Amino acid sequence: DMKVTQMPRYLIKRMGENVLLECGQDMSHETMYWYRQDPGLGLQLIYISYDVDSNSEGDIPKGYRVSRKKREHFSLILDSAKTNQTSVYFCASRQGAHAEQFFGPGTRLTVL
Amino acid sequence: GDSVTQMQGQVTLSEDDFLFINCTYSTTWYPTLFWYVQYPGEGPQLLLKVTTANNKGISRGFEATYDKGTTSFHLQKASVQESDSAVYYCVLGDSGYNKLTFGKGTVLLVSP
Repeated sequence: DMKVTQMPRYLIKRMGENVLLECGQDMSHETMYWYRQDPGLGLQLIYISYDVDSNSEGDIPKGYRVSRKKREHFSLILDSAKTNQTSVYFCASRQGAHAEQFFGPGTRLTVL
Repeated sequence: GDSVTQMQGQVTLSEDDFLFINCTYSTTWYPTLFWYVQYPGEGPQLLLKVTTANNKGISRGFEATYDKGTTSFHLQKASVQESDSAVYYCVLGDSGYNKLTFGKGTVLLVSP
């Protein structure tokens, strides 16, 4: 069964703290994504990773960075988190062009 | 750039009612359009896709078509069930479906 996992599922941080969100997939998918979801805004693309150490900015990369050192893992890092980064973050993965993106269950991040 | 507009923020129906939700899109490419569905506590999942204007996508009792002339894309179901309650996203895909542009979502509430 194809699966994308995200850890943690819930996280509360204070403004200025560093945040690490983890995503894993067991399908050996090449391409992975990070999105954020805010009420009334749908999902917005933060970063795309085409494979290990091959990352590209999405539509809203400011304030975020990513790391992909193994094909099955993709991390989203917030250095010095801000209150406006409170959101639900989704990871997705897919294999090849014209393939479906599979989404994880999301991480709800609150920055106080 | 690419954009998707979903005007219906929430739709409330009773079981066995007819569902029709639509969106408009803007792109310079020949689009592939998707409907994603998101249940509470989960990530979005692909419901169906339509790759060619005026063709029909069908899945789980839902049907969708898009009209290139009016740049509109709609989703319909003849008889909704309470289990269809979810958020439905109209999504525009670039060539290869690498970059997805999400609408804001339509919340469907179905009462028994």
